Amino acid sequence: DSGVTQTPKHLITATGQRVTLRCSPRSGDLSVYWYQQSLDQGLQFLIQYYNGEERAKGNILERFSAQQFPDLHSELNLSSLELGDSALYFCASSPDGVGSPLHFGNGTRLTVT
Amino acid sequence: QKEVEQDPGPLSVPEGAIVSLNCTYSNSAFQYFMWYRQYSRKGPELLMYTYSSGNKEDGRFTAQVDKSSKYISLFIRDSQPSDSATYLCASNYGQNFVFGPGTRLSVLP
Repeated sequence: DSGVTQTPKHLITATGQRVTLRCSPRSGDLSVYWYQQSLDQGLQFLIQYYNGEERAKGNILERFSAQQFPDLHSELNLSSLELGDSALYFCASSPDGVGSPLHFGNGTRLTVT
Repeated sequence: QKEVEQDPGPLSVPEGAIVSLNCTYSNSAFQYFMWYRQYSRKGPELLMYTYSSGNKEDGRFTAQVDKSSKYISLFIRDSQPSDSATYLCASNYGQNFVFGPGTRLSVLP
């Protein structure tokens, strides 16, 4: 168990809808990363937060947004969903986001129908 | 050119074999190197984490980094069917982590 908790495990929704994915980092970790992994694709970096502030942005669509709350949990919001958004969404955390390795949760599997 | 390249496989070996998994990277700024194991529909699990060139051993796993060649390797001794998974190499500098696409390994009993 990595200590990173993601909910829900599975989400099935329709095109055009909006969903929220939640992540609780490991105890003591200040940095949270979000990744997308489509079928047979590698991990695509979406966004990073450190202690509540956005630190880095990757290939995140404008329809997607995230935030990190004072208790350090993070939420990834996906709106106007399209079929192509179906993927595994992973959250990872690290103490400082600089040098320390990432520890991943088991992801949320999103299916858009 | 991708910053971290990795042969996607699949790689099939018999139980007990020594497995060699390899990655190359292009960015000289990369400082830290990691190997992750990912079982189907699970999150990547950190196996090895190293900073310097040379070897790092942990049980049946050995990570090797050659910064002069920009080459990183993971060796698995006495491979087991439970080692069947996708193995991802990763590197980072600062807060930027870059992952290889992963190599799918099957260890056949």
